[in-house]
Amino acid sequence: QLQLQESGAGLVKPSETLSLICTVSGGSIGTTRHYWGWIRQAPGKGLEWIGSMYYGGSTHYNPSLKSRVTVSADTSKNQFSLKVSSVTAADTAVYYCARHEGTTVSTWFDSWGQGTLVTVSS
Amino acid sequence: QSVLTQPPSASGTPGQRVTISCSGSSSNIGSNYVYWYQHLPGTAPKLLIYRSNQRPSGVPDRFSGSKSGTSASLAISGLRSEDEADYFCAAWDDSLSGWVFGGGTKLTVL
Repeated sequence: QLQLQESGAGLVKPSETLSLICTVSGGSIGTTRHYWGWIRQAPGKGLEWIGSMYYGGSTHYNPSLKSRVTVSADTSKNQFSLKVSSVTAADTAVYYCARHEGTTVSTWFDSWGQGTLVTVSS
Repeated sequence: QSVLTQPPSASGTPGQRVTISCSGSSSNIGSNYVYWYQHLPGTAPKLLIYRSNQRPSGVPDRFSGSKSGTSASLAISGLRSEDEADYFCAAWDDSLSGWVFGGGTKLTVL
């Protein structure tokens, strides 16, 4: 059974870089034919898609975040990561990693992690 | 402000049928499928409906989805206490070239 687990620093200072890892078990991100993505939910707000990647290197980002976001994979560890630079309090949110159903970014999210809270504060 | 609009709350008594709406625009719901998820705080969101009206295996047929124009609905019949959760909709947006979500609806079983 596929499982995704987010991990990373729960507290990040303003202007620094937020870094999270999603560890995948029960499936390989390097051989299975899926996109993998990140979504976040700020307190009291709706979900926001951040970006997604395919293990072959293709990435797609939310235009509102594109200049600050990088999603990449480490297939040797069966993990993919998220980096958000120059963070502000507005980046405080629960961050989820998820798998897309298929090999295009427009396929739906069929499996999610339980999320991890990241707080931006000095 | 979410791109897709959902009522913040809904409620019903056990056995009732409740519906949750999701309103969008021509660039998302109007031209693409809608997806529905059930989310209990602290747990992973669970896919309930895909391609607007299809249920993944294991999802009870009490859950059903529909779409008309730029709006979609999730219906839950035979409401049960374990259905108390947050529900959110999602769709691909052609203008954004990305995914958009609803703000979520908290369902209370009275």
